Amino acid sequence: GENVEQHPSTLSVQEGDSAVIKCTYSDSASNYFPWYKQELGKGPQLIIDIRSNVGEKKDQRIAVTLNKTAKHFSLHITETQPEDSAVYFCAASKSNNNDMRFGAGTRLTVKP
Amino acid sequence: NAGVTQTPKFRVLKTGQSMTLLCAQDMNHEYMYWYRQDPGMGLRLIHYSVGEGTTAKGEVPDGYNVSRLKKQNFLLGLESAAPSQTSVYFCASSYLGTNTEAFFGQGTRLTVV
Repeated sequence: GENVEQHPSTLSVQEGDSAVIKCTYSDSASNYFPWYKQELGKGPQLIIDIRSNVGEKKDQRIAVTLNKTAKHFSLHITETQPEDSAVYFCAASKSNNNDMRFGAGTRLTVKP
Repeated sequence: NAGVTQTPKFRVLKTGQSMTLLCAQDMNHEYMYWYRQDPGMGLRLIHYSVGEGTTAKGEVPDGYNVSRLKKQNFLLGLESAAPSQTSVYFCASSYLGTNTEAFFGQGTRLTVV
């Protein structure tokens, strides 16, 4: 089955700096790659996703890039703010398969 | 619009006891899922349902049972709780399966002593 690895497990940045979280996946048939943000005491919430027919997607300060050949995708957060502090999860899934696999998570801390 | 609601939010069980976790969604989604979240392991799929009356096993189904008698509800049962089932449980729903956005509940923290 699919295996998703996520790095780093913790990341601390200064407010205003950029943050990058990287994930690799093992199943070349995976074609949907979402990123979820989980704030303390809450469930994960989708912040951005990308499908395999696209190499990059951007939404304001958040961007995701996908390299299908290398089977890795990354989350980029620019101009970080304290409210970006949370745990971020990457995930991978494929069509007609209901088992989305998640990475282990990255705890991001943005210092004011 | 409440989204996905889980009941209860916290529970402590003794080894061998049973309990049922309830998940309710008001978005008319066909797909519903139960995950467990453990430190350093992300979210792992326990069971899922692709529609009313259907259930299927996920990555870690042992020790759990589920039922989807109504489209809006997905129940997770532990027949004989074990300390290894201490975890945070999340229910989620989606409109068109795992290739679309999943909406998560706030979680149930279960401790088995």
